[in-house]
Amino acid sequence: TQLLEQSPQFLSIQEGENLTVYCNSSSVFSSLQWYRQEPGEGPVLLVTVVTGGEVKKLKRLTFQFGDARKDSSLHITAAQPGDTGLYLCAGGLPDFNKFYFGSGTKLNVKP
Amino acid sequence: AAGVIQSPRHLIKEKRETATLKCYPIPRHDTVYWYQQGPGQDPQFLISFYEKMQSDKGSIPDRFSAQQFSDYHSELNMSSLELGDSALYFCASSLGQGLQETQYFGPGTRLLVL
Repeated sequence: TQLLEQSPQFLSIQEGENLTVYCNSSSVFSSLQWYRQEPGEGPVLLVTVVTGGEVKKLKRLTFQFGDARKDSSLHITAAQPGDTGLYLCAGGLPDFNKFYFGSGTKLNVKP
Repeated sequence: AAGVIQSPRHLIKEKRETATLKCYPIPRHDTVYWYQQGPGQDPQFLISFYEKMQSDKGSIPDRFSAQQFSDYHSELNMSSLELGDSALYFCASSLGQGLQETQYFGPGTRLLVL
C-alpha cells in the first residue's frame, strides 16, 4: 500500500501547456517535499512545504500544501521540454516516524 | 554549494560477493539516510543514522549493514549479494533528524549483480 498516492502516473503534454500533479494521502504529514529525478540520477529537491495551506512559487512551478497537511499539488505553467522528468513527493509521517516517497509522476514535455 | 557525494557511481559484482557503498554528506549535516530504488520504483528507505548512531531502520535486509563514522560519512556494506540487489542506491543527508528536515540526495550508486 502506497501511503502517498500521486496522480497522474504518466503525463505527456506539448510545450507551453499547463499541468498539475497531485500528491494525496489519508495521513497527516509533518512536511512534504517535492523532488525531480532524472533517469539514473538522485532526486533533486524542488521545495519543502511545512504549514497547512502554504503556497510556494519557484519560477513557473507553484506548490501547495493542503490545509489538513494530507495532500499537496504541483502546478507547472507553460511547461518546457526541460521540465521532463520524474516528479516525486515525499514526506515524514509522525505516527510512524518514517519518511515515505510517493509513487511518482513521469512527465514528458514534447517540443 | 557542496552536495552529497557517493562512491562509487557504478559497481558490478557477482552473486555472493560483497560490496561497500560510501556516502559523504553535505558539510555540517549530521543525519544520513540510505535508500534503494529498483527500476521504475520509488526509493525505499533502508536505514538512517543521526550523530553516528542508528536512528531508524526500514526494509534493509539482514545481509546489509551500515554505519556512520566520526566524520559523518557513512558506508553501506552488502554481503552475499543477490541478483535482486541490483538497483540504484541513494544516500541523503539532512541537518537534524526530525521528519520536517529536508533530505538532500546524492547522485546514487548503480549496483549491478551478475
